[in-house]
Amino acid sequence: QVQLQESGPGLVKPSETLSLTCAVSGDSINSNNWWTWVRQPPGRGLEWIGEIYHTGRADYNPSLKSRVTISVDTSKNHFSLNLTSMTAADTAVYYCARHGVNGWAFDYWGQGTLVTLSS
Amino acid sequence: QSVLTQPPSVSGAPGQRVTISCSGSSSNLGHDVHWYQHLPGTAPKLLIYANNNRPSGVPDRFSGSKSGTSASLTITGLQADDEADYYCQSYDSTLSTFVFGPGTMVTVL
Repeated sequence: QVQLQESGPGLVKPSETLSLTCAVSGDSINSNNWWTWVRQPPGRGLEWIGEIYHTGRADYNPSLKSRVTISVDTSKNHFSLNLTSMTAADTAVYYCARHGVNGWAFDYWGQGTLVTLSS
Repeated sequence: QSVLTQPPSVSGAPGQRVTISCSGSSSNLGHDVHWYQHLPGTAPKLLIYANNNRPSGVPDRFSGSKSGTSASLTITGLQADDEADYYCQSYDSTLSTFVFGPGTMVTVL
């Protein structure tokens, strides 16, 4: 059973950088899948942030591209999200997910972690 | 503002059938559509992939279809634990991003 678990700070100060990690179990991050970050601001819908392949190739949402970096650590079987210059608009539940090449859907998701801006 | 449109809510009595629509344009629903069930505080769950395929373990009460720039998710034999938010999702080739619908809340009366 594939499982993903997000970890990271629940509070981030304005203008600082958010760093989250997603630990993957039940699958190798070297498998033929992409590894994705999605977020959901309070009361709003889901937004795709970006994703990465185990080779390090990454794709990002153009609306966030200038502030986002996704990286992968194959030795730890996890991948990470960095989002710079945080503002109140970045307050959201952040999910990691597997983007399966079989059907190209987000087939496994983490429980999500709430990130709030705090001054 | 999402490029995909879904009704905010649908409701039905236990045992009934409900259908959730998802509409868009050729730049997004020209691609495959996927559907997710989401209970707040939990991990979203993939219900339908590539328009009309169910992952292993998803009951056949859930079915999907797509025609042109519209897609739909149908739940038959509605059950109390079907109460959740449902999202359609596709890729938008104009925006170069994966997109989600705004979500539809299903209420079991």
